[in-house]
Amino acid sequence: DIQMTQSPSSLSASVGDRVTITCRASQSISNYLNWYQQKTGKAPKLLIYGASSLQSAVPSRFSGSGSGTDFTLTISSLQPEDFATYYCQQSYSNLSFGPGTKVDIK
Amino acid sequence: QVQLQESGPGLVKPSETLSLTCTISGGSVSSGSYYWGWIRQPPGKGLEWIGYIHYSGGTNYSPSLKSRLIISVDTSENRFSLKLSSVTAADTAVYYCARILRRPKVPMELYYFDYWGQGTLVTVSS
Repeated sequence: DIQMTQSPSSLSASVGDRVTITCRASQSISNYLNWYQQKTGKAPKLLIYGASSLQSAVPSRFSGSGSGTDFTLTISSLQPEDFATYYCQQSYSNLSFGPGTKVDIK
Repeated sequence: QVQLQESGPGLVKPSETLSLTCTISGGSVSSGSYYWGWIRQPPGKGLEWIGYIHYSGGTNYSPSLKSRLIISVDTSENRFSLKLSSVTAADTAVYYCARILRRPKVPMELYYFDYWGQGTLVTVSS
């Protein structure tokens, strides 16, 4: 099984900050990596697929990069509605999620 | 706009079988471009992929749940279902159904969850 890790597990940031979240796979997954945002009590929402492709209607302040084992999700200027938990998910071998990164208000 | 809605008992006794159904509106379970999947989230914890099915009946299950799991599809009712047997308190979670888009890519398709149900809490307790 492919194990996914994320760092940090949580972070505090202010509106306007640039935020970077890292996801690492236990083996190379090429760019079979997706990112989701989940707000409390809601279903996850797809942000990025294929490591760097922005899902339709997702704001351009979200971007993804990486390939192989190391990936990043970047929010260029954090907005109030971006405080949430973010998950990476691989589809290279079966499917699995990272443990999540919670972004809260500093 | 595709919508998915989970339904089923909110309380299941230990050792019994958890059964949930996901009804699709605004789209067809018979579309070959998609898989239809289940994900769960224990209270306060992260997401766990459970399994998925194609309308043709092909399935793929999480290795950790495979021995207790059956996912089926009903094309006439435009829905798919999950049965998880021999449940324990560790199976208490919010269960989500979701559509999996199969994006063509070399060397193999990329899968991601593009539409989700709202989720339903299932508690395992006597």
